[in-house]
Amino acid sequence: DAGVIQSPRHEVTEMGQEVTLRCKPISGHNSLFWYRQTMMRGLELLIYFNNNVPIDDSGMPEDRFSAKMPNASFSTLKIQPSEPRDSAVYFCASTPQGGITGELFFGEGSRLTVL
Amino acid sequence: QKEVEQNSGPLSVPEGAIASLNCTYSDRGSQSFFWYRQYSGKSPELIMFIYSNGDKEDGRFTAQLNKASQYVSLLIRDSQPSDSATYLCAVKGRAGNTGKLIFGQGTTLQVKP
Repeated sequence: DAGVIQSPRHEVTEMGQEVTLRCKPISGHNSLFWYRQTMMRGLELLIYFNNNVPIDDSGMPEDRFSAKMPNASFSTLKIQPSEPRDSAVYFCASTPQGGITGELFFGEGSRLTVL
Repeated sequence: QKEVEQNSGPLSVPEGAIASLNCTYSDRGSQSFFWYRQYSGKSPELIMFIYSNGDKEDGRFTAQLNKASQYVSLLIRDSQPSDSATYLCAVKGRAGNTGKLIFGQGTTLQVKP
């Protein structure tokens, strides 16, 4: 079975540009998570969805960040406008059964560099 | 105070030794606890989870949980160079918040041949 698929794998952009990261969860998984990882702050939860509905977005750093899940097989994380401090690896993860098992299945990540 | 705390390391052990990784958490109502391993440049992968006080063993790995002390640990016996990675402790919050998994900063383990 295919795992969690993220795109792009690498993105280099200039400050002020819009960035859109994409995620396709594992089929049948109904919870989806967006995490950001940096050396300084580790792996931070940004937002998570259950059944396509955002449940907790308290980790979204500011209004420049937005996330959507229009259907069970696709989610986006958008940063507009981007800033150098947004440079990080962004992971998408999914889990079945509303996260009861606790195991997150991670994508390979999208490495974002904002110049 | 961070919700989940780990020493960043690096923790260096010789091949064949026992590596002991520790984690503390702040929410006394936390329900379940996980250890993930992350190789450099890769995504995290689950090693073990534990829900009840005490020890849980899986091969060379043992997870230990002490809810009274808000402490969870991971022991790796007979450490191998292939165990060299960052180990992330993760905690799941209270019932009703079943999907939210909070990670510590991670401890880097180096196993020297």
